[in-house]
Amino acid sequence: DTEVTQTPKHLVMGMTNKKSLKCEQHMGHRAMYWYKQKAKKPPELMFVYSYEKLSINESVPSRFSPECPNSSLLNLHLHALQPEDSALYLCASSQSGGAVEQYFGPGTRLTVT
Amino acid sequence: KNQVEQSPQSLIILEGKNCTLQCNYTVSPFSNLRWYKQDTGRGPVSLTIMTFSENTKSNGRYTATLDADTKQSSLHITASQLSDSASYICVVSGSSGTYKYIFGTGTRLKVLA
Repeated sequence: DTEVTQTPKHLVMGMTNKKSLKCEQHMGHRAMYWYKQKAKKPPELMFVYSYEKLSINESVPSRFSPECPNSSLLNLHLHALQPEDSALYLCASSQSGGAVEQYFGPGTRLTVT
Repeated sequence: KNQVEQSPQSLIILEGKNCTLQCNYTVSPFSNLRWYKQDTGRGPVSLTIMTFSENTKSNGRYTATLDADTKQSSLHITASQLSDSASYICVVSGSSGTYKYIFGTGTRLKVLA
């Protein structure tokens, strides 16, 4: 099974809402990633978890809060978002860093109203 | 500055024709280069990964080449199909073991019947 799943597929939220994105993989990968992708742009790295510990935070605003409850799950908690945060949020996983396959989920399309 | 540039930005070809997409990078040190295919609104799917010692790698009708001396890569698509319509993204990893991958801006390919 080389699948990374993400829920929900679509999410519409107001600026005062609190919501969470969920990502799951069962490939035994030890690295998990959150990316943000705007239309016609490449994915931008947000966070990396390695062995369930936050390894990289690309200066992401605190209204985005990642969580890695276990080696298979990755969450992204959202609070007080802005309309410009509307984007496709992609989760990915890999066995480690470097020259290894990185598997992406289908993404969550987020719209902030 | 580490950059990955792709050309052309967009390309339209007729079904059955071949095409070649280009990727130039200035990333140093260099560990590996990968090509992804991304359908609209979906997560990227890996096509090939090449390390500095590899010159060419194929995946079905997709053939990637790498010239680490000139820091150039190409992706050749043979006998294009309608399902090849997608964005193709070149991604470079700057050092072994890193979790940071530098994404190019992509080439949007449209295959017409």
